[in-house]
Amino acid sequence: DIQMTQSPSSLSASVGDRVTITCRASQSISSYLNWYQQKPGKAPKLLIYAASSLQSGVPSRFSGSGSGTDFTLTISSLQPEDFATYYCQQSYGAPFTFGPGTKVDIK
Amino acid sequence: QVQLQQSGPGLVKPSQTLSLTCAISGDSVSSNSAAWNWIRQSPSRGLEWLGRTYYKSEWYHDYAVSVQSRITINPDTSKNQFSLHLNSVTPEDTAIYYCAREELGITYYLDYWGQGTLVTVSS
Repeated sequence: DIQMTQSPSSLSASVGDRVTITCRASQSISSYLNWYQQKPGKAPKLLIYAASSLQSGVPSRFSGSGSGTDFTLTISSLQPEDFATYYCQQSYGAPFTFGPGTKVDIK
Repeated sequence: QVQLQQSGPGLVKPSQTLSLTCAISGDSVSSNSAAWNWIRQSPSRGLEWLGRTYYKSEWYHDYAVSVQSRITINPDTSKNQFSLHLNSVTPEDTAIYYCAREELGITYYLDYWGQGTLVTVSS
Protein backbone atom coordinates (compact mmCIF):
# COMPACT_ATOMS: atom_id res chain seq x y z
CA ASP A 1 0.00 0.00 0.00
CA ILE A 2 1.04 3.58 -0.63
CA GLN A 3 1.50 5.41 2.66
CA MET A 4 0.55 9.06 2.94
CA THR A 5 1.97 11.43 5.55
CA GLN A 6 1.01 15.02 6.30
CA SER A 7 2.67 17.85 8.14
CA PRO A 8 1.99 19.51 10.39
CA SER A 9 -0.62 17.41 12.20
CA SER A 10 -2.16 20.61 13.49
CA LEU A 11 -1.61 24.33 13.25
CA SER A 12 -3.03 27.49 14.73
CA ALA A 13 -3.55 30.46 12.47
CA SER A 14 -5.37 33.76 12.29
CA VAL A 15 -7.89 35.02 9.77
CA GLY A 16 -5.99 36.41 6.82
CA ASP A 17 -2.93 34.21 7.32
CA ARG A 18 -1.37 32.22 4.50
CA VAL A 19 -1.44 28.52 5.41
CA THR A 20 0.56 25.71 3.82
CA ILE A 21 0.02 21.99 4.43
CA THR A 22 2.37 19.34 3.09
CA CYS A 23 1.58 15.80 2.00
CA ARG A 24 4.12 13.13 1.10
CA ALA A 25 3.58 9.76 -0.59
CA SER A 26 5.73 6.70 0.09
CA GLN A 27 6.26 6.25 -3.66
CA SER A 28 5.71 8.33 -6.75
CA ILE A 29 2.03 8.89 -7.50
CA SER A 30 2.49 11.31 -10.40
CA SER A 31 -0.33 13.87 -9.95
CA TYR A 32 -2.90 11.45 -8.56
CA LEU A 33 -3.37 13.46 -5.39
CA ASN A 34 -6.57 14.94 -4.00
CA TRP A 35 -7.27 17.27 -1.07
CA TYR A 36 -10.39 17.24 1.10
CA GLN A 37 -11.73 19.51 3.83
CA GLN A 38 -13.74 18.06 6.71
CA LYS A 39 -15.70 19.94 9.33
CA PRO A 40 -16.99 18.30 12.53
CA GLY A 41 -19.97 16.03 11.94
CA LYS A 42 -19.74 16.36 8.15
CA ALA A 43 -18.44 14.24 5.32
CA PRO A 44 -15.18 15.25 3.65
CA LYS A 45 -15.52 17.76 0.83
CA LEU A 46 -13.34 17.68 -2.29
CA LEU A 47 -11.21 20.83 -2.69
CA ILE A 48 -8.44 19.95 -5.13
CA TYR A 49 -8.05 17.01 -7.52
CA ALA A 50 -5.15 15.91 -9.69
CA ALA A 51 -2.78 17.81 -7.38
CA SER A 52 -3.66 21.27 -8.65
CA SER A 53 -7.15 21.38 -10.18
CA LEU A 54 -9.70 23.36 -8.21
CA GLN A 55 -13.02 21.60 -7.75
CA SER A 56 -16.02 23.55 -9.02
CA GLY A 57 -17.41 25.94 -6.42
CA VAL A 58 -14.29 25.95 -4.24
CA PRO A 59 -12.90 29.44 -3.53
CA SER A 60 -9.78 30.42 -5.42
CA ARG A 61 -7.86 31.06 -2.19
CA PHE A 62 -7.29 27.29 -2.16
CA SER A 63 -4.54 25.97 -4.39
CA GLY A 64 -2.53 22.80 -4.75
CA SER A 65 0.83 21.96 -6.19
CA GLY A 66 3.34 19.14 -6.50
CA SER A 67 3.91 15.88 -8.29
CA GLY A 68 5.72 12.62 -7.66
CA THR A 69 5.91 12.27 -3.89
CA ASP A 70 5.62 15.80 -2.50
CA PHE A 71 2.51 17.94 -2.55
CA THR A 72 1.26 21.16 -0.99
CA LEU A 73 -2.13 22.66 -0.20
CA THR A 74 -2.09 26.42 0.27
CA ILE A 75 -4.81 28.69 1.60
CA SER A 76 -3.77 32.19 0.54
CA SER A 77 -5.84 34.13 3.08
CA LEU A 78 -7.50 32.06 5.78
CA GLN A 79 -11.19 32.75 6.30
CA PRO A 80 -13.34 31.88 9.35
CA GLU A 81 -15.07 29.07 7.43
CA ASP A 82 -11.71 27.43 6.63
CA PHE A 83 -11.10 26.21 10.18
CA ALA A 84 -11.34 22.47 9.62
CA THR A 85 -9.29 19.33 9.11
CA TYR A 86 -7.61 18.76 5.75
CA TYR A 87 -6.76 15.38 4.24
CA CYS A 88 -4.76 14.34 1.24
CA GLN A 89 -5.62 11.14 -0.65
CA GLN A 90 -3.77 9.28 -3.37
CA SER A 91 -5.76 7.90 -6.30
CA TYR A 92 -2.79 6.33 -8.10
CA GLY A 93 -3.82 2.81 -7.18
CA ALA A 94 -6.06 0.81 -4.86
CA PRO A 95 -6.22 0.93 -1.90
CA PHE A 96 -6.80 4.67 -2.16
CA THR A 97 -5.09 5.78 1.02
CA PHE A 98 -5.60 8.99 2.93
CA GLY A 99 -3.19 11.04 4.97
CA PRO A 100 -3.76 11.35 8.73
CA GLY A 101 -5.07 14.89 8.46
CA THR A 102 -4.04 18.42 9.42
CA LYS A 103 -6.28 20.28 11.82
CA VAL A 104 -6.39 24.03 11.30
CA ASP A 105 -7.72 25.94 14.28
CA ILE A 106 -8.02 29.50 15.44
CA LYS A 107 -4.99 31.16 16.97
CA GLN B 1 -26.64 17.40 -8.82
CA VAL B 2 -25.64 14.02 -7.47
CA GLN B 3 -26.93 13.06 -4.04
CA LEU B 4 -26.13 9.97 -2.00
CA GLN B 5 -28.46 8.91 0.82
CA GLN B 6 -27.24 6.29 3.24
CA SER B 7 -29.41 3.95 5.30
CA GLY B 8 -28.83 1.07 7.65
CA PRO B 9 -28.59 0.16 11.34
CA GLY B 10 -26.37 2.05 13.73
CA LEU B 11 -25.78 -0.89 16.05
CA VAL B 12 -24.47 -4.33 15.09
CA LYS B 13 -23.58 -7.20 17.39
CA PRO B 14 -20.11 -8.76 17.30
CA SER B 15 -19.73 -11.62 14.78
CA GLN B 16 -22.77 -10.42 12.82
CA THR B 17 -22.90 -8.68 9.43
CA LEU B 18 -22.86 -4.91 8.99
CA SER B 19 -25.09 -3.90 6.07
CA LEU B 20 -25.51 -0.38 4.69
CA THR B 21 -27.16 0.96 1.54
CA CYS B 22 -26.40 4.06 -0.48
CA ALA B 23 -29.19 5.35 -2.72
CA ILE B 24 -28.08 7.40 -5.72
CA SER B 25 -29.91 10.32 -7.29
CA GLY B 26 -28.63 12.41 -10.18
CA ASP B 27 -26.45 9.63 -11.59
CA SER B 28 -26.59 5.92 -12.34
CA VAL B 29 -24.88 3.07 -10.52
CA SER B 30 -24.27 1.64 -14.02
CA SER B 31 -22.52 4.78 -15.25
CA ASN B 32 -19.35 4.14 -17.26
CA SER B 33 -17.70 7.22 -15.78
CA ALA B 34 -18.18 6.62 -12.07
CA ALA B 35 -17.25 4.17 -9.36
CA TRP B 36 -19.14 3.72 -6.11
CA ASN B 37 -17.04 3.59 -2.98
CA TRP B 38 -17.30 2.88 0.73
CA ILE B 39 -14.96 4.61 3.18
CA ARG B 40 -14.96 4.54 6.96
CA GLN B 41 -13.51 6.82 9.61
CA SER B 42 -12.52 6.12 13.16
CA PRO B 43 -10.19 7.84 15.65
CA SER B 44 -7.79 4.88 15.55
CA ARG B 45 -7.69 4.30 11.78
CA GLY B 46 -8.49 7.73 10.34
CA LEU B 47 -10.09 7.68 6.89
CA GLU B 48 -9.92 4.16 5.51
CA TRP B 49 -10.98 3.25 1.98
CA LEU B 50 -12.83 -0.08 2.01
CA GLY B 51 -13.71 -0.78 -1.59
CA ARG B 52 -15.64 0.13 -4.70
CA THR B 53 -17.77 -1.23 -7.51
CA TYR B 54 -18.00 0.07 -11.05
CA TYR B 55 -19.31 -0.87 -14.47
CA LYS B 56 -17.19 -0.95 -17.63
CA SER B 57 -19.04 -3.38 -19.90
CA GLU B 58 -19.09 -5.68 -16.88
CA TRP B 59 -19.05 -5.20 -13.13
CA TYR B 60 -15.74 -4.79 -11.29
CA HIS B 61 -14.94 -4.70 -7.61
CA ASP B 62 -11.85 -3.58 -5.70
CA TYR B 63 -11.47 -4.21 -1.99
CA ALA B 64 -8.96 -3.18 0.65
CA VAL B 65 -6.75 -6.07 1.70
CA SER B 66 -7.53 -5.35 5.35
CA VAL B 67 -11.19 -6.35 4.86
CA GLN B 68 -11.02 -8.38 1.64
CA SER B 69 -12.09 -11.65 3.23
CA ARG B 70 -15.14 -10.08 4.90
CA ILE B 71 -16.49 -7.45 2.50
CA THR B 72 -18.94 -7.40 -0.38
CA ILE B 73 -20.08 -4.31 -2.28
CA ASN B 74 -23.09 -4.94 -4.51
CA PRO B 75 -24.75 -2.72 -7.09
CA ASP B 76 -28.54 -2.79 -7.39
CA THR B 77 -29.50 -1.46 -10.79
CA SER B 78 -33.24 -1.82 -10.20
CA LYS B 79 -33.10 0.61 -7.27
CA ASN B 80 -30.07 2.63 -8.44
CA GLN B 81 -28.16 2.02 -5.24
CA PHE B 82 -25.26 0.03 -3.90
CA SER B 83 -24.65 -1.73 -0.65
CA LEU B 84 -21.89 -2.64 1.77
CA HIS B 85 -21.83 -5.94 3.62
CA LEU B 86 -19.08 -6.55 6.16
CA ASN B 87 -19.31 -9.84 7.99
CA SER B 88 -17.83 -11.17 11.22
CA VAL B 89 -17.60 -7.68 12.69
CA THR B 90 -15.71 -6.85 15.87
CA PRO B 91 -15.58 -3.67 17.97
CA GLU B 92 -12.65 -2.63 15.74
CA ASP B 93 -15.20 -2.10 12.95
CA THR B 94 -16.92 0.65 14.93
CA ALA B 95 -16.68 3.75 12.74
CA ILE B 96 -18.53 6.31 10.69
CA TYR B 97 -19.18 4.75 7.29
CA TYR B 98 -19.46 6.89 4.16
CA CYS B 99 -20.45 6.08 0.62
CA ALA B 100 -18.94 8.22 -2.12
CA ARG B 101 -18.94 8.63 -5.88
CA GLU B 102 -15.60 8.48 -7.65
CA GLU B 103 -15.26 10.27 -10.94
CA LEU B 104 -13.51 7.99 -13.42
CA GLY B 105 -11.73 9.97 -16.05
CA ILE B 106 -8.16 10.97 -16.65
CA THR B 107 -7.83 11.22 -12.88
CA TYR B 108 -9.89 9.86 -10.02
CA TYR B 109 -11.42 11.63 -7.06
CA LEU B 110 -14.30 11.34 -4.62
CA ASP B 111 -16.58 14.23 -5.50
CA TYR B 112 -19.88 13.33 -3.84
CA TRP B 113 -20.31 11.80 -0.40
CA GLY B 114 -23.17 10.43 1.63
CA GLN B 115 -24.04 11.90 4.98
CA GLY B 116 -22.25 9.20 6.96
CA THR B 117 -23.59 6.50 9.27
CA LEU B 118 -22.14 5.86 12.71
CA VAL B 119 -22.03 2.10 13.19
CA THR B 120 -21.25 0.78 16.64
CA VAL B 121 -20.30 -2.87 17.10
CA SER B 122 -21.39 -3.90 20.56
CA SER B 123 -23.37 -6.60 22.29
